[in-house]
Amino acid sequence: DTAVSQTPKYLVTQMGNDKSIKCEQNLGHDTMYWYKQDSKKFLKIMFSYNNKELIINETVPNRFSPKSPDKAHLNLHINSLELGDSAVYFCASSQDLGLAGGPFSNEQFFGPGTRLTVL
Amino acid sequence: AQSVSQHNHHVILSEAASLELGCNYSYGGTVNLFWYVQYPGQHLQLLLKYFSGDPLVKGIKGFEAEFIKSKFSFNLRKPSVQWSDTAEYFCAGIGGSQGNLIFGKGTKLSVKP
Repeated sequence: DTAVSQTPKYLVTQMGNDKSIKCEQNLGHDTMYWYKQDSKKFLKIMFSYNNKELIINETVPNRFSPKSPDKAHLNLHINSLELGDSAVYFCASSQDLGLAGGPFSNEQFFGPGTRLTVL
Repeated sequence: AQSVSQHNHHVILSEAASLELGCNYSYGGTVNLFWYVQYPGQHLQLLLKYFSGDPLVKGIKGFEAEFIKSKFSFNLRKPSVQWSDTAEYFCAGIGGSQGNLIFGKGTKLSVKP
């Protein structure tokens, strides 16, 4: 069984389009994340949700909007796609926020990634 | 600002060579540190993690890492690499009060058969 799944795996689209990437986890975790991996393989947090509530919203353009219909899903919607949005987007989940020094493990389980190419 | 740095961008080894990948973190206080591996075209997998206790942590596939608080380091080691270890390796730490991972820039390991 896939723990964290993302669809689609590949997404090729034109500039200016609106697209969504879906993420689902079947681990019963409370916290979900979106990370962006650029062409140099650098990974950076974009958003995190805990119990459907937005916790982190890094300096991401407001063209990116996460939506969490329930604890098992965190979808990423992107409006007016730009060339610079081309990257691999990874969804992840963890049991809880797992704050440093806290009682919970923040081991994060990652999805397979969605390679977005904007032409 | 909290950060995690990996100084080796690309490491090339022959099979059976020993491996050590450097990782340093910049923040104080309680630290939770991780090493993830990303095989070509695949997602991130956890190799090992350090939360507290024994600073020498054993992970999967024969990897280990040592947390040295005085050096702010968490280097990854393997005594004898295999061709199948060819991958990108990421060191990460938990970022402050929000629980997200802060990643280093990654080290690409190429193992020649």
